Amino acid sequence: GAGVSQSPSNKVTEKGKDVELRCDPISGHTALYWYRQSLGQGLEFLIYFQGNSAPDKSGLPSDRFSAERTGGSVSTLTIQRTQQEDSAVYLCASSSGNQGGTIYFGEGSWLTVV
Amino acid sequence: AQSVTQLDSHVSVSEGTPVLLRCNYSSSYSPSLFWYVQHPNKGLQLLLKYTSAATLVKGINGFEAEFKKSETSFHLTKPSAHMSDAAEYFCVVSVAGGSYIPTFGRGTSLIVHP
Repeated sequence: GAGVSQSPSNKVTEKGKDVELRCDPISGHTALYWYRQSLGQGLEFLIYFQGNSAPDKSGLPSDRFSAERTGGSVSTLTIQRTQQEDSAVYLCASSSGNQGGTIYFGEGSWLTVV
Repeated sequence: AQSVTQLDSHVSVSEGTPVLLRCNYSSSYSPSLFWYVQHPNKGLQLLLKYTSAATLVKGINGFEAEFKKSETSFHLTKPSAHMSDAAEYFCVVSVAGGSYIPTFGRGTSLIVHP
């Protein structure tokens, strides 16, 4: 596609429910990143994909968080048993994966856990 | 490992006066450096990037930044602030040793007074 697409754009869920957030990167981009931005905070790195593999998942805050990427394209971030502290904007980005490659961001998925 | 420090959490200027947003980085490898802007409730937009070519980089909306290796700095400037420049600004570094995973500063909030 023309840009990084994320869905849903907004999600309100009850505490304890599972949620799935989807990211469709720019066509041809091999690198894909997930970040979390809490209210008034900077960007917290969650996980990085190169193709379908995740060489760095060090930022996932707990085992309730997981992510996968299939076909070297679409990625899904899953949060199980959501907690109120999971409320944040989840941002996806993609790039060519090469030095100096511009990182393009989606508009984000705004998650509210009530 | 790489890191980014944005020296000011908030910068306040009057419309028509110069803007200076400060960023220092730390990297064991030659870095690629970026500035992104985030307007309220919006995604991140690339302002400019440095990738080992010219050290003075010009970006969109009249912004520019200068890479100074001796000072490990990449400060963002604009000669004359406009009300529409009010936003959050993020300095970002990525390096080969870090699998090009972008590392973000904590952000600087630019406030523009009439």
